[in-house]
Amino acid sequence: SQQGEEDPQALSIQEGENATMNCSYKTSINNLQWYRQNSGRGLVHLILIRSNEREKHSGRLRVTLDTSKKSSSLLITASRAADTASYFCATDGSNYQLIWGAGTKLIIKP
Amino acid sequence: ETGVTQSPTHLIKTRGQQVTLRCSSQSGHNTVSWYQQALGQGPQFIFQYYREEENGRGNFPPRFSGLQFPNYSSELNVNALELDDSALYLCASSPRLAGLTDTQYFGPGTRLTVL
Repeated sequence: SQQGEEDPQALSIQEGENATMNCSYKTSINNLQWYRQNSGRGLVHLILIRSNEREKHSGRLRVTLDTSKKSSSLLITASRAADTASYFCATDGSNYQLIWGAGTKLIIKP
Repeated sequence: ETGVTQSPTHLIKTRGQQVTLRCSSQSGHNTVSWYQQALGQGPQFIFQYYREEENGRGNFPPRFSGLQFPNYSSELNVNALELDDSALYLCASSPRLAGLTDTQYFGPGTRLTVL
């Protein structure tokens, strides 16, 4: 079963604009991670935020976490064509697994 | 590059056959997880191996089985293939038990098509 739900399912923006994706989850977590996947291939880890953190930055990425609302957001600033990909949030579940949402498909138009 | 490799890249099988998918983890990573990703969906956890023992399992039937070897390689075996097994299969390694908040490093995946 999937714990996270990303919103929107798809997002198309112009190069240079900012892109915001949201993730909601159902049960309490220790951490939440964001991954990127290009063209149905392997996933690349972007950022991990722990349950006691509210915001984290990495380059052009900014992740927020609101445990009271069980939600997280990923902001990509000054988007580039190379940011075109699917973005997934994943939370830690039982049995040491990561539980994933269905992803947001981001398209950056030149 | 994550240092995790998978083989083969693509595979076509027929219903009822058996398949073995292979993964080579990063050196020093003693945990490997396997995921199934259907088209347009997020990955679904199949199972995890830690120091050659199955450490956790998702909602997959016993015909999905695995092995982990001391040389950081691992296998996913699927028996009696069904059409719904068609998916991208991903392995991911991490230096310790993934539930302890570690990043997982993914291979490029094996695309399995069952006809």
